[in-house]
Amino acid sequence: QVLLQESGPGLVKPSQTLSLTCLVSGDSIRRRGYYWSWLRQHPGTGLEWIGYIDYRGSPYYSPSLKSRLLISQDRSSNQFSLRLSSVTAADTAVYYCARTSVEVAKIRFDPWGQGTLITVSS
Amino acid sequence: QSVLTQPPSVSAAPGQKVTISCSGDSSNIGRNYVSWYQHVPGTAPRLLIYDNDERASGIPDRFSGSKSGTSATLGITGLQTADEATYYCGTWDTILNDGAFGGGTTLTVL
Repeated sequence: QVLLQESGPGLVKPSQTLSLTCLVSGDSIRRRGYYWSWLRQHPGTGLEWIGYIDYRGSPYYSPSLKSRLLISQDRSSNQFSLRLSSVTAADTAVYYCARTSVEVAKIRFDPWGQGTLITVSS
Repeated sequence: QSVLTQPPSVSAAPGQKVTISCSGDSSNIGRNYVSWYQHVPGTAPRLLIYDNDERASGIPDRFSGSKSGTSATLGITGLQTADEATYYCGTWDTILNDGAFGGGTTLTVL
């Protein structure tokens, strides 16, 4: 069974950098063909894809967040991470990590972590 | 503002059938495959349908998906109280080069 677990600080001050980690068990983030995504859900709104990193360690970011975003992986601990700089209240959301399948014209997220709530406030 | 449009809520009685629509355009649903997710608050979202109409592993055949043009539909038959959740459609937007999701539809089983 593949399980993903997000971990993060819970509260981040405006203008600071948000750092999150996703620990993967039951699968290897180096397994060929899979990508590893971050997504978020703002309070009361729909889902938003943030970006992913592939099994080789190459990231791809949502254009709307690209200038503030860094996604990396730690193969030795089977984790991947998100760093979002210069956060504002608009970055308050539940953040999810998910294993991602990507093919031409196809993308799907399965499974997901349970999510971690991040609040940006002074 | 979500890229894909879903009705905010639907409801039906136990045992009945419900459909949830997802509307997009030629840059997303019109040229890419659609997936559907079930989310109960406080739990991990779950993949139900991928590639428009393929059920994910372990998903009962009460759940079905379809796509026509720039719209997709999730169908649920034999409704159970356990089906109460928020349902999201998702795809890729080729013009935006970005993931695209609907705003979610909350299902109430009366």
